[in-house]
Amino acid sequence: GAVVSQHPSRVICKSGTSVKIECRSLDFQATTMFWYRQFPKQSLMLMATSNEGSKATYEQGVEKDKFLINHASLTLSTLTVTSAHPEDSSFYICSADDSTYEQYFGPGTRLTVT
Amino acid sequence: AQSVTQPDIHITVSEGASLELRCNYSYGATPYLFWYVQSPGQGLQLLLKYFSGDTLVQGIKGFEAEFKRSQSSFNLRKPSVHWSDAAEYFCAVGANTGNQFYFGTGTSLTVIP
Repeated sequence: GAVVSQHPSRVICKSGTSVKIECRSLDFQATTMFWYRQFPKQSLMLMATSNEGSKATYEQGVEKDKFLINHASLTLSTLTVTSAHPEDSSFYICSADDSTYEQYFGPGTRLTVT
Repeated sequence: AQSVTQPDIHITVSEGASLELRCNYSYGATPYLFWYVQSPGQGLQLLLKYFSGDTLVQGIKGFEAEFKRSQSSFNLRKPSVHWSDAAEYFCAVGANTGNQFYFGTGTSLTVIP
């Protein structure tokens, strides 16, 4: 089956620094990738949709200058949290679409900002 | 607007008992429907999906779900729950344009011995 990986699985960074999270589709090409954020005991909130080679589409209320998304290839999308603050601490999940109306989810990245 | 409702925030069942998790959706066209399970600190695992055809779909781990268009529902069922089924369950609707997913708020399942 289709597999999506995320790296790192956990990251701790200091307030004011930036952190990059990678999302890779391992055995298929993903024309579209999605980034979600999940707070404890809550559902997944879509942050943005990225298509290979074009700018990401951000959901309302998501700061595009803070959450930089790059979809450089059909197998890789990155999310960079810039100038991170403690309120950015969360569980970030990516998913990839193989054009079959199904999304394949990565295992998630736990970000802690101290 | 598209939306997914999971009316039950938390459910507790005894091991061996049957389970039904409710999901209602609002979507203008024929929906693509999914159920996912998430263990603490983990990503989402697909249990089953409905795109078309037979409205009763079978999934992994003994789960099944039934699509009822008239009720806009896609309830998840399992005849006999195991302790390892304790987790968070999410229902999702996929749009057929842009493939954006809309998630319900989730149902937390506790299984007691």
